[in-house]
Amino acid sequence: GAGVSQTPSNKVTEKGKYVELRCDPISGHTALYWYRQSLGQGPEFLIYFQGTGAADDSGLPNDRFFAVRPEGSVSTLKIQRTERGDSAVYLCASSFLAGGYNEQFFGPGTRLTVL
Amino acid sequence: ILNVEQSPQSLHVQEGDSTNFTCSFPSSNFYALHWYRWETAKSPEALFVMTLNGDEKKKGRISATLNTKEGYSYLYIKGSQPEDSATYLCAFLIQGAQKLVFGQGTRLTINP
Repeated sequence: GAGVSQTPSNKVTEKGKYVELRCDPISGHTALYWYRQSLGQGPEFLIYFQGTGAADDSGLPNDRFFAVRPEGSVSTLKIQRTERGDSAVYLCASSFLAGGYNEQFFGPGTRLTVL
Repeated sequence: ILNVEQSPQSLHVQEGDSTNFTCSFPSSNFYALHWYRWETAKSPEALFVMTLNGDEKKKGRISATLNTKEGYSYLYIKGSQPEDSATYLCAFLIQGAQKLVFGQGTRLTINP
């Protein structure tokens, strides 16, 4: 079956611009996660949704970052007034249910470059 | 702050040789340890979910062990092949939480 998909695969923008990154989870998965991998580091947690609601947004670095999942399926990560330090690979993952050993299935990521 | 460390950060291995690398994690509040393989331009692929002290899991030429009391896991690759070239990530799951805490990865390159 189809895996997690993310669009765009690459995004180049200028400092100060607004960007949206999209994630399509595996059908039927109720939990959805966003992570960010900066150069030389492992992925870092940003936010997770259970259904439509953000259950834990403790990883969002500041109020320029916001994510939504209005119908409990597709999610959009929104970054306002982008900064060069936002350049990273943004990974999305989904799981059937949050809880248990929480095997998460990842998309290929969106590589964001802020010039 | 939870700290998950992987070593080495990068590794070059000759085709046919065996290799291993380490993931260290906090020994308290352990719930599960995940191993992923991440090839360039692809999605991270789940290899193992390890939950019990003393667990050993195997998938083809790749195997992993877990020691929750001392807080480490080893990943072994036997008879390395070029297709094993990837970044190997471990991720710690704390009891009661949903987010994975990742190490920085081990970047493995197999030389033909």
